[in-house]
Amino acid sequence: QVQLVQSGAEVKKPGSSVTLSCKASGGSFSNHAISWVRQVPEQGLEWIGTIVPRLGIGSNAQKLRDRVTINADTSTSTVYMELRSLKSEDTAIYFCAGGMTTSTTWFDPWGQGSLVTVSS
Amino acid sequence: DIQMTQSPSSLSASVGDRVTITCRASQSVSKYLNWYQQKPGRAPKLLIYTASSLQSGVPSRFSGSGSGTGFTLTISSLQPEDFATYYCQQSYFTPYTFGQGTKLDMK
Repeated sequence: QVQLVQSGAEVKKPGSSVTLSCKASGGSFSNHAISWVRQVPEQGLEWIGTIVPRLGIGSNAQKLRDRVTINADTSTSTVYMELRSLKSEDTAIYFCAGGMTTSTTWFDPWGQGSLVTVSS
Repeated sequence: DIQMTQSPSSLSASVGDRVTITCRASQSVSKYLNWYQQKPGRAPKLLIYTASSLQSGVPSRFSGSGSGTGFTLTISSLQPEDFATYYCQQSYFTPYTFGQGTKLDMK
């Protein structure tokens, strides 16, 4: 069973960038898609994007498309998400989650989450 | 984007109760509807996928049904560990979208 371990909490200034990592262990990374989902504390869940590491292709939410890049390093079984031009409303817990490589995937398993705080 | 609406937004129940949560999609998502449970400070946990398939390791008191635009999650006999927030999510179209959540607490 694949387990996903995320990088730690970050504090950033508005206008800066953050890169989060999600490392897979204990299973075959290449058979999964990896997605990023964020959650403003005490609020709902928002899909950010998905990548199929084996193919290096994916899709991102239109809302964030101009500011987010998701890529993968298959040699280390790690997926990265970069979010640029940070705003206060980007303050959230960011989760990575595994899934099937088909578009109708569900999200399982999940990483433990990485808190990003954007504050001047 | 497909809007997912859950009802109720919050629910108080007792151990042993039968609980049903409803999720409605703004357009058909076929059978591609998933349910998650989230406890405070934790990541969501997959309970049900493709509307009615029980994820491995999830107790059989959880069940899901529906298709198209209307779906339900049922807990047949509530246990103390089931008090949590529940989310539905459609995986038929991107952007994948979630319901706003249903918070289940103890009466």
